[in-house]
Amino acid sequence: GENVEQHPSTLSVQEGDSAVIKCTYSDSASNYFPWYKQELGKGPQLIIDIRSNVGEKKDQRIAVTLNKTAKHFSLHITETQPEDSAVYFCAASRIPPQGTYKYIFGTGTRLKVLA
Amino acid sequence: SQTIHQWPATLVQPVGSPLSLECTVEGTSNPNLYWYRQAAGRGLQLLFYSVGIGQISSEVPQNLSASRPQDRQFILSSKKLLLSDSGFYLCAWGGQYSGNTIYFGEGSWLTVV
Repeated sequence: GENVEQHPSTLSVQEGDSAVIKCTYSDSASNYFPWYKQELGKGPQLIIDIRSNVGEKKDQRIAVTLNKTAKHFSLHITETQPEDSAVYFCAASRIPPQGTYKYIFGTGTRLKVLA
Repeated sequence: SQTIHQWPATLVQPVGSPLSLECTVEGTSNPNLYWYRQAAGRGLQLLFYSVGIGQISSEVPQNLSASRPQDRQFILSSKKLLLSDSGFYLCAWGGQYSGNTIYFGEGSWLTVV
């Protein structure tokens, strides 16, 4: 079945440094890739997403890149701050008309930003 | 704007007891609805998803079931809970009115003792 691998499982960075989280997906028909941030005891919140017709998207300190040929995508956080500490999940999906909005998630990355 | 509610937020149930978690979405129509489970410190496992009333797709064989009695209501149930059913359960909605992404509720912590 479909699978999304996410690395690393934990990541510690100094405040102000950059953090990179990588995901690889198996379903070549996937065409939508969201990233979520989950704080302790809460539901995941969407932070950025990218579609398969775009190679890169940026929103302030957060950016996502997509390599369709290699079937992998990455989350980049620059100038990290303590409030960026959380668990981050990537996901892959086929949105219509090619799919049915079924989202497969990676296993998560626990990011710790050290002050 | 759209909102999603799920309850109860926390529950402790004995092994063998029944379970009912409820989720409702407001501010949209005909949403796709999802139940995910997250074991402690683990990833998000898709349990069920529904693209319409009475249409339920099950992703993982288990002793849980889901129902969608109304357009914006999604219920997760079990007749007899197992210890392994403990976890954080998340309801989510998405579809053509969500910009193609899915949005999660605040989750329900289930501890089976």
